[in-house]
Amino acid sequence: GQNIDQPTEMTATEGAIVQINCTYQTSGFNGLFWYQQHAGEAPTFLSYNVLDGLEEKGRFSSFLSRSKGYSYLLLKELQMKDSASYLCAVRDQTGANNLFFGTGTRLTVIP
Amino acid sequence: GAVVSQHPSRVICKSGTSVKIECRSLDFQATTMFWYRQFPKQSLMLMATSNEGSKATYEQGVEKDKFLINHASLTLSTLTVTSAHPEDSSFYICSALRGGPSATQYFGPGTRLTVL
Repeated sequence: GQNIDQPTEMTATEGAIVQINCTYQTSGFNGLFWYQQHAGEAPTFLSYNVLDGLEEKGRFSSFLSRSKGYSYLLLKELQMKDSASYLCAVRDQTGANNLFFGTGTRLTVIP
Repeated sequence: GAVVSQHPSRVICKSGTSVKIECRSLDFQATTMFWYRQFPKQSLMLMATSNEGSKATYEQGVEKDKFLINHASLTLSTLTVTSAHPEDSSFYICSALRGGPSATQYFGPGTRLTVL
């Protein structure tokens, strides 16, 4: 089976940096995705990691360690609009590009 | 970009009726689309994988006769909720798979279904 864990909720201050962790245990691995989802809206793609290391994209960075089954999403210079749920999803190598989602981390940015 | 549309965005129907939801990839072709359901404050649950020109693959516990999926073209997949009941009320989201090295899923805006 697949097991993907994320913290349920986090709070951070505007302008600060926050790190959202994700650990996974899957039967296969073919990439890890991070999505942002605002309440009542569909997820939007943020990042993709398939090799170990850090991928940086503007204020957002994502890190992967396959040996540890671990990833994190790093958000810098937090803005109020960053308040959203952040979903970690793993692609199962044996599936037809199926994604298995964690429960998501609800981030609240406060002034 | 990679734009996926979904229609309708919101639907309210009576118990026992059927509802069709359309998912379109607007600027790329998608041989594979996915249908998810999301209950409040929960994550996305994959219902089925829609394959262009062939039968959909359903996840365990999802009734194929209740949730009919048709993927008639490379840009359109439809989900029909047949004989809807109040427990089917949920947020239904489709995604389209865009090929390439990362083969990323791009999501539609979702359909909020309320069954009275």
